[in-house]
Amino acid sequence: EVRLADSGGGLVKPGGSLRLSCAASGFDFNGYTMSWVRQAPGKGLEWISSISSSSTHIYYADSLKGRFTISRDNAKNSVFLQIDSLTAEDTALYYCTREEWELTFLHWGQGTLVTVSS
Amino acid sequence: QSALAQPASVSGSPGQSITISCTGTNSDVGNYDYVSWFQQHPGKAPKLIIYAVTTRPSGVPDRFSGSKSGNTATLTISGLQAEDEADYYCIAYTRKITWVFGGGTKLTVL
Repeated sequence: EVRLADSGGGLVKPGGSLRLSCAASGFDFNGYTMSWVRQAPGKGLEWISSISSSSTHIYYADSLKGRFTISRDNAKNSVFLQIDSLTAEDTALYYCTREEWELTFLHWGQGTLVTVSS
Repeated sequence: QSALAQPASVSGSPGQSITISCTGTNSDVGNYDYVSWFQQHPGKAPKLIIYAVTTRPSGVPDRFSGSKSGNTATLTISGLQAEDEADYYCIAYTRKITWVFGGGTKLTVL
């Protein structure tokens, strides 16, 4: 069974940083591109970034470039999202998701909540 | 990359059909047949219900169907049921090798 377990969220002060993690299991992690998606409270879904299986290709949403860094560790079956210079607008539930060969997203983590507040 | 345009809300009675549009540009919706639709109930992760414009994943009822014309994709739900009440999102692959979501549509079953 494919499982994605998101973690690392919490309460952070404005200007702070956070590193989110997603632990994958139940499939050959090395063979898949992974993405992060977020959802602010009461708002819609927003795609953040993707990283290819060997980390060769990394892409970010134009509006979010600069403060977000995606990475992965295939030996640990994990993908990460570093977020710097956090603002209140980054308060959201952050999901990791697996990009399927058919170019869609079937499997999602449960999400990890990031709250930015002083 | 601007969000794809979806109506904020739609509604229908049980048994009726509804459609939700998703309008983008020739750089995303109009450029590839990589449009997916997700259903999201409150407090839950998104659930894939349509991918590659028209394909339903295993287990998704055939009441859900998708189509595309030009820069607009459409989700149709026929035979509305109470459990279909949820938020619906489209997503499209873009020429920049990125993804863009629609703003979401709240479906109310009257």
